[in-house]
Amino acid sequence: GDSVTQMEGPVTLSEEAFLTINCTYTATGYPSLFWYVQYPGEGLQLLLKATKADDKGSNKGFEATYRKETTSFHLEKGSVQVSDSAVYFCALTGGFKTIFGAGTRLFVKA
Amino acid sequence: DTAVSQTPKYLVTQMGNDKSIKCEQNLGHDTMYWYKQDSKKFLKIMFSYNNKELIINETVPNRFSPKSPDKAHLNLHINSLELGDSAVYFCASSQGGPTSNYGYTFGSGTRLTVV
Repeated sequence: GDSVTQMEGPVTLSEEAFLTINCTYTATGYPSLFWYVQYPGEGLQLLLKATKADDKGSNKGFEATYRKETTSFHLEKGSVQVSDSAVYFCALTGGFKTIFGAGTRLFVKA
Repeated sequence: DTAVSQTPKYLVTQMGNDKSIKCEQNLGHDTMYWYKQDSKKFLKIMFSYNNKELIINETVPNRFSPKSPDKAHLNLHINSLELGDSAVYFCASSQGGPTSNYGYTFGSGTRLTVV
């Protein structure tokens, strides 16, 4: 069945460091791909998305490119801030539902 | 102005009790969901309704019963609460069904603690 695999956290970075959170997927057909962010005590918020191969989603300095050849949708940000500390979820539309990864916790130190 | 609102935000109750969580969305979306998030942040889909019709009903104890009086509301009733039901429950909505290309909008969650 369809699935999403994210790198295990926590990821700990210093402010202004470069961020990569890996996400790979397996899917039949052509899924749409998403990144959601969950700040402490809040619900998930859609961060960015890509609906077809080679599309790049971007928002708030975060980017991810839909790579069909490597079945990946890695999240990147050039310079993280303390306020980016949160849990990040990769997701895809598969079958008859949206499937979420297990989440990756990011800590950013000042 | 809240897009997806859940009540209550916190719920502490004793084992064996029955409780309900309410959810409302003002986005005009046609599909609503209940998710359970455990202490490790893993999200599990429980139910989904599209225009008041149940379309996703995952393997969930039948003590959990969703009700959708209209497409803007989805409530979750839980009978005979158990310790293992302690979790954060999220309501979400989307336009165009569970595989919407627009993504989901989530509520802020209900933290249920069973003691």
